[in-house]
Amino acid sequence: GEDVEQSLFLSVREGDSSVINCTYTDSSSTYLYWYKQEPGAGLQLLTYIFSNMDMKQDQRLTVLLNKKDKHLSLRIADTQTGDSAIYFCAETNTDKLIFGTGTRLQVFP
Amino acid sequence: KAGVTQTPRYLIKTRGQQVTLSCSPISGHRSVSWYQQTPGQGLQFLFEYFSETQRNKGNFPGRFSGRQFSNSRSEMNVSTLELGDSALYLCASSLDTSYGYTFGSGTRLTVV
Repeated sequence: GEDVEQSLFLSVREGDSSVINCTYTDSSSTYLYWYKQEPGAGLQLLTYIFSNMDMKQDQRLTVLLNKKDKHLSLRIADTQTGDSAIYFCAETNTDKLIFGTGTRLQVFP
Repeated sequence: KAGVTQTPRYLIKTRGQQVTLSCSPISGHRSVSWYQQTPGQGLQFLFEYFSETQRNKGNFPGRFSGRQFSNSRSEMNVSTLELGDSALYLCASSLDTSYGYTFGSGTRLTVV
């Protein structure tokens, strides 16, 4: 079945890079997404990657996709305190999103 | 450009009651989907509508239903509420899968 897994917590120092990892099981996924959720808020789409791409860069965000290992990562360069949130990866091959458990990123000064 | 609007933001209901939540998608988006978020189960897909037709449905009991109107606005209904239905209900609209899904701020439902 479809399953998406993420580590639960990540703590980084302000100014360092953060790398959030995700693994998925559905080899027929077409798009993979990264969403950010701040307390009391909905989900904010950060970036996404098509399954035939290896990498996508968008300002401070870099997404790497290893389709063979079904591994997705999100790198945030120069992490700021405002980046503290829960980050969800999600995959789709139909008209629904399958979400990971979310990774809580804590940024300390 | 207005985002996805969900109303109400907060709702408190009693067990056994029913509730209707509303979602207005981004103008031009014809796909609307609903998700339930709880601490225990995470984010789970409820259903997806496109041009007033339900295209996909998650593994939820029949107490959960939805519909979409000709203007793409969508409602979801939960009947005979249970304590376990307490959750954040999120609506997302999409122009096309390749453009991603835009979420609203959600409706927080508390069942007492």
